[in-house]
Amino acid sequence: DAGITQSPRYKITETGRQVTLMCHQTWSHSYMFWYRQDLGHGLRLIYYSAAADITDKGEVPDGYVVSRSKTENFPLTLESATRSQTSVYFCASETSGNTGELFFGEGSRLTVL
Amino acid sequence: GDSVTQMEGPVTLSEEAFLTINCTYTATGYPSLFWYVQYPGEGLQLLLKATKADDKGSNKGFEATYRKETTSFHLEKGSVQVSDSAVYFCALSNYGGATNKLIFGTGTLLAVQP
Repeated sequence: DAGITQSPRYKITETGRQVTLMCHQTWSHSYMFWYRQDLGHGLRLIYYSAAADITDKGEVPDGYVVSRSKTENFPLTLESATRSQTSVYFCASETSGNTGELFFGEGSRLTVL
Repeated sequence: GDSVTQMEGPVTLSEEAFLTINCTYTATGYPSLFWYVQYPGEGLQLLLKATKADDKGSNKGFEATYRKETTSFHLEKGSVQVSDSAVYFCALSNYGGATNKLIFGTGTLLAVQP
């Protein structure tokens, strides 16, 4: 099915470990985004990408790394996970970067022990 | 800086009741305004939007009017259903609607009882 898929949907890891969350979209949207969702904060932008090989920081980028070698994939890596990174992570895509119309994946729930 | 304030939830209603979820914003200029909905276990999806003052966005029986004089974008529905139970997020985007500048509110949980 066309759309945006995230994996894994659920992940438990330990402090200090590296974790990669995957995101794949089939629409060929130029823009892709990573958000984290925490109670009391709504959604906060971590990183975004305007095209392959073009990425930029969002509101809360510290502790995260992204790459975009292909238009359809936008993985998010936590290089050394901390408890404060326990959250639900959402990947999203958009056609042109200025519509505000995001298409979200189903989310990845990460628990850091 | 720009911000969005939503009413605290949860909002609990009986089926067929009238719904209002308040959203006010602080922003310079003329931001675009959005309502997103998140159903249980899913990602957010755009419900409606308005890009200039006095615009009314509507979708699936929901409406919201962009009121610049009161800096508000309240979400309304005349008759809610159990299937409307979800978390609703108000959001704004300044800077010409740039999506990387989207600011989300904290969300309002709506629970509709049969």
